[in-house]
Amino acid sequence: GAVVSQHPSWVICKSGTSVKIECRSLDFQATTMFWYRQFPKQSLMLMATSNEGSKATYEQGVEKDKFLINHASLTLSTLTVTSAHPEDSSFYICSARDPAGGNEQFFGPGTRLTVL
Amino acid sequence: GEDVEQSLFLSVREGDSSVINCTYTDSSSTYLYWYKQEPGAGLQLLTYIFSNMDMKQDQRLTVLLNKKDKHLSLRIADTQTGDSAIYFCAVRSSSYKLIFGSGTRLLVRP
Repeated sequence: GAVVSQHPSWVICKSGTSVKIECRSLDFQATTMFWYRQFPKQSLMLMATSNEGSKATYEQGVEKDKFLINHASLTLSTLTVTSAHPEDSSFYICSARDPAGGNEQFFGPGTRLTVL
Repeated sequence: GEDVEQSLFLSVREGDSSVINCTYTDSSSTYLYWYKQEPGAGLQLLTYIFSNMDMKQDQRLTVLLNKKDKHLSLRIADTQTGDSAIYFCAVRSSSYKLIFGSGTRLLVRP
């Protein structure tokens, strides 16, 4: 089945630093990837839609300069949290859409970011 | 915009059936999904139903869709302690975005 990986699985950083999270589709090509954010005991909130070769589309209220998304290839999208602050601490989950698999979204295992 | 609602908590005894309910607002939703999330983990797709179906059964899981009432349910037969997790209902919009409910925390008591 389709597999999506994320790296790192968890990261702790100091306030003010930038953190990059990778999302990879391992056995299929994903023209579209999605980035979600999940606060403890809450639902997933879509942050942005990442399209290969073009600019990401951000949801209302998500700062594009704060959360930089790059979808440089059909198997890799990256989310960079710039100048991270404690309020950015969260669980970040990506998903990848498989156009050859009924357009289903396959989810990565998530990355837990803790900003001190 | 689309809104998806779920009850927050359900507690059942091991061996009983669990029924988790979900309501949504967008009648044009084509696919409706149920995901399972265990602590600290990502989402596991359990099952999905296409909007022109009323019911889908997959082993212990039964999904019922009432399109008129925009109501979706997931029934887990013979619930086991390993089924304890958070269950998310999600609906897919025409732009392939998934809109998630708040999640239902299922606790299975021995």
